[in-house]
Amino acid sequence: EDQVTQSPEALRLQEGESSSLNCSYTVSGLRGLFWYRQDPGKGPEFLFTLYSAGEEKEKERLKATLTKKESFLHITAPKPEDSATYLCAVQASSNTGKLIFGQGTTLQVKP
Amino acid sequence: DADVTQTPRNRITKTGKRIMLECSQTKGHDRMYWYRQDPGLGLRLIYYSFDVKDINKGEISDGYSVSRQAQAKFSLSLESAIPNQTALYFCATSGAVTDTQYFGPGTRLTVL
Repeated sequence: EDQVTQSPEALRLQEGESSSLNCSYTVSGLRGLFWYRQDPGKGPEFLFTLYSAGEEKEKERLKATLTKKESFLHITAPKPEDSATYLCAVQASSNTGKLIFGQGTTLQVKP
Repeated sequence: DADVTQTPRNRITKTGKRIMLECSQTKGHDRMYWYRQDPGLGLRLIYYSFDVKDINKGEISDGYSVSRQAQAKFSLSLESAIPNQTALYFCATSGAVTDTQYFGPGTRLTVL
């Protein structure tokens, strides 16, 4: 069964304190792994897509990496505006179009 | 203007009532999806459609139905709402090439 597990469930950081969020996945052939950001009461906002192990993508203070079993979202010198829930999702090659989501990591960055 | 819009944004209804949630998109995508989000359970797929004539059940389709009126419009109906259908509902779209899904702002539904 395709499955996605994110850890930790919640993370509190001081402004400037770098850290990483983890997304472990089990999927029957990975077509793509997606990271989204979700603010309270809003829809998920697309951040990155990773397709193969070793791939990395960056956007401002965020960097996503991918291995055969997990993905990391590294946050460098976070700011309070980075506070949000970060969602990871996988798409199996056998189910094109369908995303399996993890439960998310809620990040709070204190000034 | 937003690429993916949902109406209504908030709705309170009573048990047994029929309710329709609507989604429209201007991205030109063929594929559209309906998800629900519950605290602790994440986003779960209800129905998806790859084109106007293609409708597929997701993992939690019981109690729901959908209609794809046009390439740009995909509606979700609750024929007889029940309290455990209280949740946040999101519509999403994707193009066939990239598969990246883009989400609407959501509808907060409360069934009393």
